[in-house]
Parts: sequence; structure tokens; C-alpha cells
Amino acid sequence: EIVLTQSPDFQSVTPKEKVTITCRASQSIGSSLHWYQQKPDQSPKLLIKYASQSISGVPSRFSGSGSGTDFTLTINSLEAEDAATYYCHQSSSLPRTFGQGTKVEIK
Amino acid sequence: EVQLVQSGAEVKKPGESLKISCKGSGYSFTSYWIGWVRQMPGKGLEWMGIIYPGDSDTRYSPSFQGQVTISADKSISTAYLQWSSLKASDTAMYYCARLGDGYIGGAFDIWGQGTMVTVSS
Repeated sequence: EIVLTQSPDFQSVTPKEKVTITCRASQSIGSSLHWYQQKPDQSPKLLIKYASQSISGVPSRFSGSGSGTDFTLTINSLEAEDAATYYCHQSSSLPRTFGQGTKVEIK
Repeated sequence: EVQLVQSGAEVKKPGESLKISCKGSGYSFTSYWIGWVRQMPGKGLEWMGIIYPGDSDTRYSPSFQGQVTISADKSISTAYLQWSSLKASDTAMYYCARLGDGYIGGAFDIWGQGTMVTVSS
């Protein structure tokens, strides 16, 4: 089973600041890495697919990069509505797995 | 509109059986894998398994194999997650989600609203 490790677990950030979340896979997964946002009491929402592909309707301040074992989700100019927990997810091999999540709090 | 609508919250006793549902609409239900994801209270997302409603091909996480059964009825565009004997540790929110791109290696692009299952004596 591929283990995904996110860092940090928690981040407290000022609005307009840049946020970087990393996801490291225990073995190479190519670009089969996706990012989700989950706000309190809501279902997760797909933000980025295949490491760097944008999703229609998702603000352009969200971007992804990486391949192999190291991936990054970047939020440029954080807004208050971005307070949420962010998860990475690999679809390279079965069973699929999620990272443990990164909670982003607005200062 | 493409959507997945899940059945309502359930409160059960340990040892009882349960089947929750996820109805797809607005797309070809038989052409996309559907997955189930568990979220225990205050915890992260756990991948349970997926099913292809077109032929009922099913894959489970080893953590959930034998603990739950995933099925689908393509005639009514509905996927199911069922337990034969619930435990208190099954208390969680359960989400169904569609694998996008019609491909087993895709991302979950559409999510249901979640079904809260509470197991308590």
C-alpha cells in the first residue's frame, strides 16, 4: 500500500499570504496524485487532478506541481474562504490512499 | 446536473445490518467507477473500495475487505454499501464519489453529500 505523508499537519496563515502544502508518496506514482479541499461539515471537493491539471470552477490561485514521489499544492494569496482541510490522494495503485490531511486556519 | 445523492442518516445497534445507497443522475451511470470513502469523527478520509456499475467489477481496500460489501444496481443508477453486523467502530460519515474521466485511475470529481452512520447500544 502506498503511504502519502502530508506536511504540515496544520498551518495558520494570514489572508493574502502564500500557502504551500506538500505530499510525499512512499513510492513513485507518476502524476497520479489529486488534491481535495474539505470545509467543515461539507463533502470534499476536487481542486487539482493528475498533480497539476486545473479543475473548471476552481479559483486560479490554487495550483499543483510535482511528479514521482513529491508533490505540492500552492494557494496564492489566501482568502478567508480557503479555511479548510486539504487532502492528497493517489490513484496509481490499489488500494488507493489519501494523505492524513492538512488543516489551514486563517489568522 | 451531474450529482450523487445519498440516503439519509442512520442510527443502528451493534450487530444490526445496514445498506446505504448512492444514486447517480445527470450522466451515464454505467460508464464511471463509483467509490466509497469513510471519515470517522474528527478524522481524515479513508478509501474503502470502488465498483464499476457497468459490470459490477469491484475492488476493496484490504482494510475493508470482508467488513463491508459494495454493490450496484445499474437499472436504477444506484450504488450500495452494506454491513451484515455493525460495530460501534463503524460510526462514521460515508461518502460515495465518482471517478472522473471514466477511468479507474481517475480522481473523485463528484461527491455525494455523505451518509452519517451511528452505531450505539
